[in-house]
Amino acid sequence: EIVLRQSPGTLSLSPGERATLSCRASQSVSSGYLAWYQQKPGQAPRLLIYGASSRAAGIPDRFSGSGSGTDFTLTISRLEPEDFAVFYCHQYGSSPYTFGQGTKLEIK
Amino acid sequence: EVQLVESGGGLVQPGGSLRLSCTASGFTFSYYWLHWVRQAPGKGLVWVSLINSDGSSPSYADSVKGRFTISRDNAENTLYLHMNSLRAEDTAVYYCARGRRAYTIQDAFDIWGQGTMVTVS
Repeated sequence: EIVLRQSPGTLSLSPGERATLSCRASQSVSSGYLAWYQQKPGQAPRLLIYGASSRAAGIPDRFSGSGSGTDFTLTISRLEPEDFAVFYCHQYGSSPYTFGQGTKLEIK
Repeated sequence: EVQLVESGGGLVQPGGSLRLSCTASGFTFSYYWLHWVRQAPGKGLVWVSLINSDGSSPSYADSVKGRFTISRDNAENTLYLHMNSLRAEDTAVYYCARGRRAYTIQDAFDIWGQGTMVTVS
């Protein structure tokens, strides 16, 4: 099973700042099958990034993903008030599919 | 509108059974792989099970293997999760989710239901 570790656990930033979230895998994620989701309280997760770097439909271009192998990054270039939430990485390259433990992005 | 709607959650005693349903609309249900993902209160996301487009190839997380059964009725656009021998640690919100591309095994989950709460106590 591929274990995904996200860092930091909590990130405190202000609107307009840049956010960088990390996801490290215990073994290589095949073919870059790595996704990022945003989840707000009481809501289902929303797909942001798939294939490590492709934005899902309707996702603003301030969200970007990068990385390969075992190290992946989600970057939010300029935080908007609605961006504050919990973010999860997810590998779907090998079963069992796994998620990271999440990074909480909170308003400073 | 493309959507998934779960139902069937509730309170059940340890050792009991429950069947969750996930009804789809707005897309050709039979083309897509589907998943169940759960989230215990205050915790992260955990993948539970998947089923391929024609229902012939289910797969399960080790934690539920032998207790849960995933199935689908493509004529009724409905996904199911039959849960037996329930334990306290199965308490969670259960989400159904769709693989992003038709007929594709490995893909991110682009459509999620709103979730249904299962409490084992």
